[in-house]
Amino acid sequence: AQTVTQSQPEMSVQEAETVTLSCTYDTSENNYYLFWYKQPPSRQMILVIRQEAYKQQNATENRFSVNFQKAAKSFSLKISDSQLGDTAMYFCAFTSYSGGGADGLTFGKGTHLIIQP
Amino acid sequence: DVKVTQSSRYLVKRTGEKVFLECVQDMDHENMFWYRQDPGLGLRLIYFSYDVKMKEKGDIPEGYSVSREKKERFSLILESASTNQTSMYLCASSLLTSGKNEQYFGPGTRLTVT
Repeated sequence: AQTVTQSQPEMSVQEAETVTLSCTYDTSENNYYLFWYKQPPSRQMILVIRQEAYKQQNATENRFSVNFQKAAKSFSLKISDSQLGDTAMYFCAFTSYSGGGADGLTFGKGTHLIIQP
Repeated sequence: DVKVTQSSRYLVKRTGEKVFLECVQDMDHENMFWYRQDPGLGLRLIYFSYDVKMKEKGDIPEGYSVSREKKERFSLILESASTNQTSMYLCASSLLTSGKNEQYFGPGTRLTVT
């Protein structure tokens, strides 16, 4: 069974600062996907970024980037130039590569990120 | 854009009642999922389905069942609601052949069992 660990229950930074959210996972599989989801107060889960385990290059989406260290089983999220709208719960998630995409996600417990004005 | 809708945002039920949570997606996705979200526990997978009439147990299926009679609709059923099933329930869907394994979530149903 896979496990996902987010060791920071809550973080608070000033607007425009850079913040890094940590995530580690445990799996015996070699092919898998990792995700960061954002859940703002509206409760709508939004996909932030996705990383395929077979890709060495770290994924980037605008102000969001990841540091994927496969050997260390680490998958951190960096948010640059943080904005008030980034305030949300952030969840790290894992799914194995089944080819069919029918596997559920295994989530970490989440990090509550607060961006202070 | 993918749209996943859930029948209720808030629901209050009594202990012992049979509860139906409905989820509908409009993008012809083969895979559908039900999760529950509890503070400090993250999201946990209850059941999922990869085709009509097919279902698979997730990590915490006890006390729940599901129904998928049509491709776009996936229902979560609490046969006899209990107070420990008070939670946020999230439905998600994904495309079988996308190769991306990305799941799209509904807005959630906050269920309170009294």
